[in-house]
Amino acid sequence: QVQMMQSGAEVKEPGASVKVSCKTSGYTFTNYYTHWVRQAPGQGLEWMATVNPRGGSPDYAQSLQGRVTMTSDTSTRTAHMELRGLTFDDTAIYYCARGRGSLDPFDVWGQGTMVIVSS
Amino acid sequence: QSVLTQPPSASGTPGQRVTISCSGSSSNIGTYAVHWYQQFPGTAPKVVISNNSQRPSGAPDRFSGSKSGTSASLAVSGLQSEDEADYYCAVWDGNLNGWVFGGGTKLTVL
Repeated sequence: QVQMMQSGAEVKEPGASVKVSCKTSGYTFTNYYTHWVRQAPGQGLEWMATVNPRGGSPDYAQSLQGRVTMTSDTSTRTAHMELRGLTFDDTAIYYCARGRGSLDPFDVWGQGTMVIVSS
Repeated sequence: QSVLTQPPSASGTPGQRVTISCSGSSSNIGTYAVHWYQQFPGTAPKVVISNNSQRPSGAPDRFSGSKSGTSASLAVSGLQSEDEADYYCAVWDGNLNGWVFGGGTKLTVL
């Protein structure tokens, strides 16, 4: 079945970087866009970035420009999200999700990865 | 402050019809299709309405969506206790060149 399995929870200090992985299965990885969305505790959803596995530059949320990098490894069907310069405000659950086209809904989601920024 | 405005809460009794609104602008809802997500505590969101009014397979037929101008709505008819969840609207924004989500609406079944 279609799955997006994310890496485990992380605890980081302020200023550090975190890399979250999203390993996919059950579908043709290069036929779908991969999106990253985060959700701070008790808050709503915030889109972070979209990657076209077939190439091209990712689209990043303006609020995260310069701190976030999304990559895709088509050989392992895995997407990665790296966030640098962590602050307490980056404490959140990070989700990967897929979409058939760039404007299509996110129809399958990963289970989420909790990232805690703590000193 | 979200680009898309949703009421923070909505409620209804079992069997009632409840509507959740999502207000945006010409650069998002006015131009692009709106999707609606349902999220239960501790779980990932799930799409219940796509492309303004389409129901994905598996979504109950008591969920419906509509769009007019720069606003969209999600309606839940025949409200059931299992519909109690958070609901988010989402749409691409051509000015921001990215996806935007509403702030979310917590639906309570009384």
